[in-house]
Amino acid sequence: QKEVEQDPGPLSVPEGAIVSLNCTYSNSAFQYFMWYRQYSRKGPELLMYTYSSGNKEDGRFTAQVDKSSKYISLFIRDSQPSDSATYLCAMSGAGNNRKLIWGLGTSLAVNP
Amino acid sequence: DAEITQSPRHKITETGRQVTLACHQTWNHNNMFWYRQDLGHGLRLIHYSYGVQDTNKGEVSDGYSVSRSNTEDLPLTLESAASSQTSVYFCASSESGTGLIGELFFGEGSRLTVL
Repeated sequence: QKEVEQDPGPLSVPEGAIVSLNCTYSNSAFQYFMWYRQYSRKGPELLMYTYSSGNKEDGRFTAQVDKSSKYISLFIRDSQPSDSATYLCAMSGAGNNRKLIWGLGTSLAVNP
Repeated sequence: DAEITQSPRHKITETGRQVTLACHQTWNHNNMFWYRQDLGHGLRLIHYSYGVQDTNKGEVSDGYSVSRSNTEDLPLTLESAASSQTSVYFCASSESGTGLIGELFFGEGSRLTVL
């Protein structure tokens, strides 16, 4: 079993839809949770960053961490064609557990 | 603006040849990383460095080497290229100390094909 599981999709939604992307993990030492966005033929870029549990909102994007269930989510409201990309979750512990562990990424297409 | 650049962006080589992929960052970051990205495997760490003269093996380091002689550059060398090393390679950097753990800045990638 991988430390981080992420459904690769692809996920296809109409413009304006609410998108939910998810990752599960097994290591309870993870404290830092990230979502990266990767456009085709580009490098990943950090989209959302959360420490420990709770929600974080940035415009149309909301990151949610549930440490009790070892489950993180990224919600995209009013999705746009420009949101079409691969979304990768990543997580890390602290101190000696700082190694960054990546999900495989979920491919999202938002159709006009 | 600070940036991280990779070269070449595309390269085709033959089995057995030595290949070097360059990575140059102007963020003045201490931490630098090389990943490869393959369908079904995601991002896998090849080598990383936490500062000048420091290099460490990642999870898929066999057949690869790096050297860190200054802060800005971390070249990745494939000693004898194999078809299994056909991939997209990403260089990344991050700030140590005050930076966010896990906040990496990626280059645009180098697409390598080994025939």
